[in-house]
Amino acid sequence: GEDVEQSLFLSVREGDSSVINCTYTDSSSTYLYWYKQEPGAGLQLLTYIFSNMDIKQDQRLTVLLNKKDKHLSLRIADTQTGDSAIYFCAERTAGTASKLTFGTGTRLQVTL
Amino acid sequence: GAVVSQHPSRVICKSGTSVKIECRSLDFQATTMFWYRQFPKKSLMLMATSNEGSKATYEQGVEKDKFLINHASLTLSTLTVTSAHPEDSSFYICSAQGPNTDTQYFGPGTRLTVL
Repeated sequence: GEDVEQSLFLSVREGDSSVINCTYTDSSSTYLYWYKQEPGAGLQLLTYIFSNMDIKQDQRLTVLLNKKDKHLSLRIADTQTGDSAIYFCAERTAGTASKLTFGTGTRLQVTL
Repeated sequence: GAVVSQHPSRVICKSGTSVKIECRSLDFQATTMFWYRQFPKKSLMLMATSNEGSKATYEQGVEKDKFLINHASLTLSTLTVTSAHPEDSSFYICSAQGPNTDTQYFGPGTRLTVL
């Protein structure tokens, strides 16, 4: 079955880099996503990576995918207080159309 | 970018009543809409997938007679929680997907509190 795990909490100082990790079990994942959820709000798609890629950069965001270890990470450079939120990774597996399986979410706290 | 709205954003109702939540895609046609439920400090759980004009596909363990989903047009899907009970209190989030894309765009969510 599908299982996506994340650490629950991460605290970083403003200006530092944040690295949020995610592990998944389904080797047939086709796309992996990172979403951001601010308090009381829905999910905002931040970025995604196709399963045959190792790295994707998008401004302050860097996604690393280790398909062998089924490990995904999101690095946020120069973390700002506005980055404080819950970050969810999600995977989409082959044959399930657009069905997404979400991780448990990591709460990022940015301190001054 | 693609915008998805939900209404209401917050609703409080008495036990035994029914509540309808609307999900609208504002600037694109959503051929598929998804309904999720999120418990406090937990992840999103997919409840059902609905394609315009056809019956929704429910995930295992989700009661289709309790959570009625209608996707009558390409811009609107509704979720009706029938005979609501306190354990139905949760944050309900919809997402919408247009044709020829696999990207889901999420609504802002509806917080349901059943007294």
